[in-house]
Amino acid sequence: QVHLQESGPGLVKPSQTLSLTCTVSGGSVTSGNYYWTWLRQSPGEGLEWIGHTYRSGSTYYKPSLAGRFVISVDATKNQFSLTLRSVTAADTAVYYCARGGEYYDSSGYSFRFDPWGQGLLVTVSP
Amino acid sequence: DLQMTQSPSSLSASVGDTVTLTCRASRAISDYLLWYQQRPGKVPQLLIYTASTLHSGVPSRFSGSASGTDFTLTISGLQPEDVATYYCQNYDSAPYIFGPGTKVDLK
Repeated sequence: QVHLQESGPGLVKPSQTLSLTCTVSGGSVTSGNYYWTWLRQSPGEGLEWIGHTYRSGSTYYKPSLAGRFVISVDATKNQFSLTLRSVTAADTAVYYCARGGEYYDSSGYSFRFDPWGQGLLVTVSP
Repeated sequence: DLQMTQSPSSLSASVGDTVTLTCRASRAISDYLLWYQQRPGKVPQLLIYTASTLHSGVPSRFSGSASGTDFTLTISGLQPEDVATYYCQNYDSAPYIFGPGTKVDLK
């Protein structure tokens, strides 16, 4: 069973760069048709999809966030990462990594985020 | 840009009640819709995919339906463990957009 675990700093200062890592166990980031995904949830707010990377290294970001986020894969460590430049208080959130996958069954085609990591609270504060 | 809206934003109901949550997409997304349940302090859990298909292990009191760009999640016989916020999300194409959620608690 695939398990994802986020790691990184819980506190960063405004204008700094945030780097988070998601370690994948029970599966490989280079196998299968999976989209290694980052999402976030601001305190008391809803969920926001940030973007994903594919095993080929291709990436796709939410257009309104593109330019500040970089998602990359490190196959040697079976990890993928999220880098966010010039953080502000608005970036305070629980950051989740997840595996996005395409599935075909009797219901037809579906795409789901499953599993998710447990989430990591990142606070941006002086 | 796709917008996902949900109503109501919150509701209170009694154990055993049937509750209906609605999600509306601003454009056609076929039946490419997911429903998630997020209990307080927990990770979102997939409930339903393809608008109406129950994910493995999800109790049968949960059901989903679709009509055009309107989607419904029904809980038939609310249980205490169903206290949570429920989110819908498209997957017809990226970027994937979540609705703002409906918070369900007990009366």
